[in-house]
Amino acid sequence: AQSVTQLGSHVSVSEGALVLLRCNYSSSVPPYLFWYVQYPNQGLQLLLKYTTGATLVKGINGFEAEFKKSETSFHLTKPSAHMSDAAEYFCAVSANDYKLSFGAGTTVTVRA
Amino acid sequence: DVKVTQSSRYLVKRTGEKVFLECVQDMDHENMFWYRQDPGLGLRLIYFSYDVKMKEKGDIPEGYSVSREKKERFSLILESASTNQTSMYLCASSSGTRTTDTQYFGPGTRLTVL
Repeated sequence: AQSVTQLGSHVSVSEGALVLLRCNYSSSVPPYLFWYVQYPNQGLQLLLKYTTGATLVKGINGFEAEFKKSETSFHLTKPSAHMSDAAEYFCAVSANDYKLSFGAGTTVTVRA
Repeated sequence: DVKVTQSSRYLVKRTGEKVFLECVQDMDHENMFWYRQDPGLGLRLIYFSYDVKMKEKGDIPEGYSVSREKKERFSLILESASTNQTSMYLCASSSGTRTTDTQYFGPGTRLTVL
């Protein structure tokens, strides 16, 4: 079985500041890891995913995440926050099936 | 562009009613999923289907059933709605050939059971 823990249910950053969202996972097999974003009143949209190969993964809108097996982590970062980054972010893990296990989500607020 | 549509954005029903939530995808995807989203709990899988007429229980199937008669359509059924089923329901689909395939989500249906 696999599970995800997102540290911090709310994160507030200033426009232009670093965005860092933390995700730790547990999995009995090598995991596939995903970050999704949900803008207000919308469904979820894939930001990026790690499957195999390079551990630093680049996604849309300037986001990236690094898979660290030794730390069982997959933290999401963006060097400079923009007002349009205000949304809820979900980390998810998948093992050997088609099912995703999601974290509880982190809401990002961007201050002008 | 993949499009996943859900029949209603907002729905209000009474306790005991039978409720149907419909989801349609236009990309010929094999897999379809139903999740419920609650604050502080993230998304939890209710059911998923990997082929027409095939279904598998997710993490929280109690009180729900599903139907997939056509490849593009996946229905979630609440046989007798209860107040604890008030939630946001999200449908998703994926192409299904690999575990790593992206799931594409619909906009969600916010269901209130009174």
